[in-house]
Amino acid sequence: DAKTTQPNSMESNEEEPVHLPCNHSTISGTDYIHWYRQLPSQGPEYVIHGLTSNVNNRMASLAIAEDRKSSTLILHRATLRDAAVYYCILSRAASKLTFGTGTRLQVTL
Amino acid sequence: EAGVAQSPRYKIIEKRQSVAFWCNPISGHATLYWYQQILGQGPKLLIQFQNNGVVDDSQLPKDRFSAERLKGVDSTLKIQPAKLEDSAVYLCASSQVRSPSPLHFGNGTRLTVT
Repeated sequence: DAKTTQPNSMESNEEEPVHLPCNHSTISGTDYIHWYRQLPSQGPEYVIHGLTSNVNNRMASLAIAEDRKSSTLILHRATLRDAAVYYCILSRAASKLTFGTGTRLQVTL
Repeated sequence: EAGVAQSPRYKIIEKRQSVAFWCNPISGHATLYWYQQILGQGPKLLIQFQNNGVVDDSQLPKDRFSAERLKGVDSTLKIQPAKLEDSAVYLCASSQVRSPSPLHFGNGTRLTVT
């Protein structure tokens, strides 16, 4: 599986946008980009996924670079409930998800 | 829609004892996964089922871990005998067959082996 690189941790102020980066320079043409997050003492939660085009849903937006070697998860207005570990994962359709260590997001007042 | 149910929530056992975890996936989800998450790490896939057949168990330590999904619905994961390094959170997830389909995770069972 292609590897992703994420910062270990990031901080944000509440009510401000957050941009969580992910580098995946060895991505293949059939790899989807998935984002999950894990709140304390809970299982991971699906956030968003995309292949080539930018994607929006009620939780977040996913911006994918034109060469697909990087992507950014955008939380438009961070709240304290968004404090979690965010995982960026590549996988081909129908293949398993391999989690890394993710980015721990801290949100402060 | 009800989420993925797991029990027990916590379990403490001594090394060399056996333990079993239970998972009930979301209704209609044919694919079921068991992940192991050691403190400070991301979840690691142990086994993947589609209906009642095993799709991938390449990372399951088969000398001590076993899993079954009878009737293609509920699943159990067993460890026998447990070792100290098995202390972790065991997460169950389910998804629909069409891909890519989001995984829905339960809140896991936290196992402590003393």
